[in-house]
Amino acid sequence: DQQVKQNSPSLSVQEGRISILNCDYTNSMFDYFLWYKKYPAEGPTFLISISSIKDKNEDGRFTVFLNKSAKHLSLHIVPSQPGDSAVYFCAASDGNFNKFYFGSGTKLNVKP
Amino acid sequence: NAGVTQTPKFQVLKTGQSMTLQCAQDMNHEYMSWYRQDPGMGLRLIHYSVGAGITDQGEVPNGYNVSRSTTEDFPLRLLSAAPSQTSVYFCASNSQTGVGQNEQFFGPGTRLTVL
Repeated sequence: DQQVKQNSPSLSVQEGRISILNCDYTNSMFDYFLWYKKYPAEGPTFLISISSIKDKNEDGRFTVFLNKSAKHLSLHIVPSQPGDSAVYFCAASDGNFNKFYFGSGTKLNVKP
Repeated sequence: NAGVTQTPKFQVLKTGQSMTLQCAQDMNHEYMSWYRQDPGMGLRLIHYSVGAGITDQGEVPNGYNVSRSTTEDFPLRLLSAAPSQTSVYFCASNSQTGVGQNEQFFGPGTRLTVL
């Protein structure tokens, strides 16, 4: 059973608007969360992370929010740009950093 | 730095054949992992290593073997390929640096088809 779930396989937004990608997890031992971006025919690349001691982390246009009680995290992209069109994976670790659990991905399409 | 490199980029096997997917990193990372990516399943961990000589199973280890004789290299062996192993395989490495920067660096992937 998947411990990290991304229930939206795809998302389409207009350029300049906000993109919100969601992720849920079931394992309460997870305390470090990451978002990766993946273009076709390439490996995933790291985007942003958050530790469970925080509830928000920002990096430029990207913000990750963590709600530990709901076991939910989200990635906000503001403003969205066509170059943001990619598959986004969320991942979680229990702090050992040698095992990461990934969601199934959300394909974001930002329309010009 | 080349980062994480994988060879080959593409491979077609017949059922029952064996092969080794190569992975190397030049960042002196102690942790290395192999994942497979299948449609609707995301990335699933096959095997991982926490250092030279130390490996362990991930979520989907059956049909695969690994070894880690050096810090740099982490090959993945398919002993007897099956059509269910048709997938895209990613190798990743990371280093535990403390709070904040513990992300994995991924190779470009190997697309494997088993007929």
